[in-house]
Amino acid sequence: RKEVEQDPGPFNVPEGATVAFNCTYSNSASQSFFWYRQDCRKEPKLLMSVYSSGNEDGRFTAQLNRASQYISLLIRDSKLSDSATYLCVVMAPSSARQLTFGSGTQLTVLP
Amino acid sequence: GAVVSQHPSRVICKSGTSVKIECRSLDFQATTMFWYRQFPKQSLMLMATSNEGSKATYEQGVEKDKFLINHASLTLSTLTVTSAHPEDSSFYICSAFSLTSGYVLGYEQYFGPGTRLTVT
Repeated sequence: RKEVEQDPGPFNVPEGATVAFNCTYSNSASQSFFWYRQDCRKEPKLLMSVYSSGNEDGRFTAQLNRASQYISLLIRDSKLSDSATYLCVVMAPSSARQLTFGSGTQLTVLP
Repeated sequence: GAVVSQHPSRVICKSGTSVKIECRSLDFQATTMFWYRQFPKQSLMLMATSNEGSKATYEQGVEKDKFLINHASLTLSTLTVTSAHPEDSSFYICSAFSLTSGYVLGYEQYFGPGTRLTVT
C-alpha cells in the first residue's frame, strides 16, 4: 500500500464548478498535512496546510479526518487558473520533517 | 516568503559525465535541505536529506556514490550526479525548511525551481 494515495484523476470540469479531491495516508502517526499545487514543469508550491479542525482559504477548503486517515480539498467556483496537479503531502512523524507526496491529481478547468 | 534557488535550471550532458546542481536558501539559513527527483507524470520522490556539516541520509534505493551530496554551509547544498546515464534524466528539485511565525508547527517547506537534467 502506498503511503499517500490520491484520486487518480484526471478531473476535467467546467469553469465555476465545484471539485473535490480525496487523499488517504497509511501512517497513523503522521503529524502534518498539506496540499501543494504543481504546474507543468514547475516546482510544487504550498497551497494550504490542513488542520484537524478544517480550514478555508478563499475558494479552497481543506479537511482532515485523523480517525479515517483521510484528507480532502474542495475547490469552489473553479477558475481556468486552477488547472494544475494537486499533490497531497504528509509529513513524517519525526524531527526529520520529511515529506511524502501523493502521486497527484490533475485538474483541468475548461472554459 | 522564503526563497530557494537552484542552478542550473536546465542542463544537457553526455553520458558518462558528471553534473553538479546547486541549491541555495537566499534569505534564511537551512540546516536541512532535501533533494527530490521527479520523472514525467510521476510524483516527487525523496532522494536524500542533506544535513549541514554532516553526511547526507539517503533513501532506500538511491546510490550514495552516484548522487553525491555536500551541504557545506547553512545556505548551500549541492547534488552531483556522477557518471550520468540517460536513465538519470529527470527533474531534480531541492527544498528547505524555514521557520515561520503564526503556524502551529512553525515550519514551511520551500522548493527550489528545479533543474531539468537530460543525459544524451
